[in-house]
Amino acid sequence: AQKVTQAQTEISVVEKEDVTLDCVYETRDTTYYLFWYKQPPSGELVFLIRRNSFDEQNEISGRYSWNFQKSTSSFNFTITASQVVDSAVYFCALSEATNTGNQFYFGTGTSLTVIP
Amino acid sequence: KAGVTQTPRYLIKTRGQQVTLSCSPISGHRSVSWYQQTPGQGLQFLFEYFSETQRNKGNFPGRFSGRQFSNSRSEMNVSTLELGDSALYLCASSAKYYTEAFFGQGTRLTVV
Repeated sequence: AQKVTQAQTEISVVEKEDVTLDCVYETRDTTYYLFWYKQPPSGELVFLIRRNSFDEQNEISGRYSWNFQKSTSSFNFTITASQVVDSAVYFCALSEATNTGNQFYFGTGTSLTVIP
Repeated sequence: KAGVTQTPRYLIKTRGQQVTLSCSPISGHRSVSWYQQTPGQGLQFLFEYFSETQRNKGNFPGRFSGRQFSNSRSEMNVSTLELGDSALYLCASSAKYYTEAFFGQGTRLTVV
């Protein structure tokens, strides 16, 4: 079963619009970690944020904000006033504490295009 | 601090050959993980090494193997290459358990 679901395959927005990328996860662990990564055309995954399962505080970093809701198993990512440089593929990932090591389960990614 | 370095960046191999990819993690990071990225399957976990020991392995055939050296550098090897092995192979390093992983730019392998 897919542990991380990103239902939005592709999103296009016009520059300066706000956009929310959805992420729904599935785990039986009580301790787990959620991540967002950005993959620009260059290929490397760029770390954006890490959240542990005990910290449901929303976080804001500049134009980026994250909404973590355990009740709905969601960890959504909002970009405010989008810019062309935000165009990339965004991945949500889950790491479970019962794993013996660092193993991420990635969603299928959401390709965001910001149109100037 | 230098980031994760993967070499080579691009490779073209013929079916049946074998290939070795290299990854140098961020200095001080002891955990190195490998992922395969394809358009059809997305990002899939291959294996993870910590202090030269394989801690975790994904669901890949035995043709995929890896190792880690005492300086934390890691290599992965794919033997008897198949067309389906064409992918972007990403290496990630982490300082410790359950923390963020930092990825290299990947090695794009094409099998013809």
